[in-house]
Amino acid sequence: DVKVTQSSRYLVKRTGEKVFLECVQDMDHENMFWYRQDPGLGLRLIYFSYDVKMKEKGDIPEGYSVSREKKERFSLILESASTNQTSMYLCASSPGDRVGEGYTFGSGTRLTVV
Amino acid sequence: AQTVTQSQPEMSVQEAETVTLSCTYDTSESDYYLFWYKQPPSRQMILVIRQEAYKQQNATENRFSVNFQKAAKSFSLKISDSQLGDAAMYFCASRRISGNTGKLIFGQGTTLQVKP
Repeated sequence: DVKVTQSSRYLVKRTGEKVFLECVQDMDHENMFWYRQDPGLGLRLIYFSYDVKMKEKGDIPEGYSVSREKKERFSLILESASTNQTSMYLCASSPGDRVGEGYTFGSGTRLTVV
Repeated sequence: AQTVTQSQPEMSVQEAETVTLSCTYDTSESDYYLFWYKQPPSRQMILVIRQEAYKQQNATENRFSVNFQKAAKSFSLKISDSQLGDAAMYFCASRRISGNTGKLIFGQGTTLQVKP
């Protein structure tokens, strides 16, 4: 019954590496989102996409980029990983026309940059 | 801009007792949704309860209910008959209704401990 799948649960990368976090949803949702979660800061929006090949910056896009080539897949890219990007990353999706449903989340990827 | 504030980083409750988690928000939107999400140690965020702002009646889902005070921009979550499985981090969030790309704005989270 998995609906939003994040490719890795835990990831350890070295400073300067290019990192790809993958997210796939099977609910035909138009909207997809990437958040990072840090203690005391809650969830902060990095990027979101409301359609294939469309993307918009969230509140903290610096150091990140995204790709959405297919409706079901939304990738977060850390161009050159840094230690301050050590965090929990959550992917979510939502239908475009049913705002009240909220989001469906993946289980998160805990990324450590060393 | 929308903001959501949870001023209680940690709360604890005795099993079978009632606990209330606080949330305040700020928005210039006339209509919006408010949500409470639960994040257990498994990290899977689960929707607990939602409230549409124009509805006066407070939402209820089994042991979970909200106290929605629109004028005060307050949206607290009450958990009755607390169970060990309620132990988790709880996030309050808001989302505007206009436009189909409305983002969820989250609070900082409250960690709830349930004592046996």
